Amino acid sequence: EAGVAQSPRYKIIEKRQSVAFWCNPISGHATLYWYQQILGQGPKLLIQFQNNGVVDDSQLPKDRFSAERLKGVDSTLKIQPAKLEDSAVYLCASSPGQVGNEKLFFGSGTQLSVL
Amino acid sequence: SQQGEEDPQALSIQEGENATMNCSYKTSINNLQWYRQNSGRGLVHLILIRSNEREKHSGRLRVTLDTSKKSSSLLITASRAADTASYFCATDASGSARQLTFGSGTQLTVLP
Repeated sequence: EAGVAQSPRYKIIEKRQSVAFWCNPISGHATLYWYQQILGQGPKLLIQFQNNGVVDDSQLPKDRFSAERLKGVDSTLKIQPAKLEDSAVYLCASSPGQVGNEKLFFGSGTQLSVL
Repeated sequence: SQQGEEDPQALSIQEGENATMNCSYKTSINNLQWYRQNSGRGLVHLILIRSNEREKHSGRLRVTLDTSKKSSSLLITASRAADTASYFCATDASGSARQLTFGSGTQLTVLP
């Protein structure tokens, strides 16, 4: 079974630039998550989708971050404009079932450096 | 905010020894999960324990849950160098604000 695919693997940008990350979850997984992981910390949930509807985006900085899930499958996360404190690894995860929050499968992440 | 907090932050042991990591949390939960993260990789799910369970085993892993103390422990027996990784607990809080929240992790180093 193919895992969660993310791209790009690494991204370096200057502050105030924009950046986008892409995620393809495991086929058939209803729930998709974007987490931000700052070095030395645990992942922090940014947004959670159930099929193509948003379940939770309470910790998403909506003035600069946006995310969408196309046709309930792939997802993109965008930052515009980026700040220095956005430097982190952005992890996408998916889980089977409609309930969510059980046994998440993670991609390898996109490491973002904002200079 | 992070609901779960792991203890210790870092742990170094010899191959063959047992490793114990603890997790404390603040609110009522539906389940608690443990994940492993190797350097530069995504997280891998290890085990899930539900709020009505007290102990669960999976291979060399043993997880306990004490809901009265809002704490959990992960025991890895007969550790191997390949177990070197960061270990995170994650809590699925009960109630309307359901969100899988991760702790700050324990960095385990197993020396050969």
